Amino acid sequence: GQNIDQPTEMTATEGAIVQINCTYQTSGFNGLFWYQQHAGEAPTFLSYNVLDGLEEKGRFSSFLSRSKGYSYLLLKELQMKDSASYLCAVRNAGNMLTFGGGTRLMVKP
Amino acid sequence: ETGVTQSPTHLIKTRGQQVTLRCSSQSGHNTVSWYQQALGQGPQFIFQYYREEENGRGNFPPRFSGLQFPNYSSELNVNALELDDSALYLCASSTGTGGYSGANVLTFGAGSRLTVL
Repeated sequence: GQNIDQPTEMTATEGAIVQINCTYQTSGFNGLFWYQQHAGEAPTFLSYNVLDGLEEKGRFSSFLSRSKGYSYLLLKELQMKDSASYLCAVRNAGNMLTFGGGTRLMVKP
Repeated sequence: ETGVTQSPTHLIKTRGQQVTLRCSSQSGHNTVSWYQQALGQGPQFIFQYYREEENGRGNFPPRFSGLQFPNYSSELNVNALELDDSALYLCASSTGTGGYSGANVLTFGAGSRLTVL
């Protein structure tokens, strides 16, 4: 089976750094994705990790440790528009994603 | 390039009715998958279609069914609607399926919000 855990809610201040953690236990692993979803909108792709280590893309970075079943998404220089839900998802061999419950991030001035 | 489009955006049905949701995949994508997202939760995988055949299914009953057409567009049908079927239904498209390397990112549509009364 698949089990993916991430915090339900987080709050951070504009300009700060926030780290959103994700732990997973899956029967198959073919990559880990992070998506951003604003209320009422489609999830949009942020990052992809399949090998251990850090992937950096502008203000966003994502880390993966396959041996620990652990990933995090790091958001730097937070902006108000970063207030959204962040979804961690693990892909199996058939390109099917299992999502965590999502972390709702609130950025305050 | 056009993204994934879904229709209708909102609809209201009553228990026991049937509903059909539609999805046009992104240009160049041949695989479509459907997800159900209850309020405040992450999306749950319903099923995936590749070359007009279902090639993966999540933990959903048979009253959830689908189709993929030769132009790679897709439908999700739900029979005998129940109150718990109220959710946002997301369609996602991608290229290829299984055994590939690279990100092969799923591109999601904005969803169809179904309310069952």
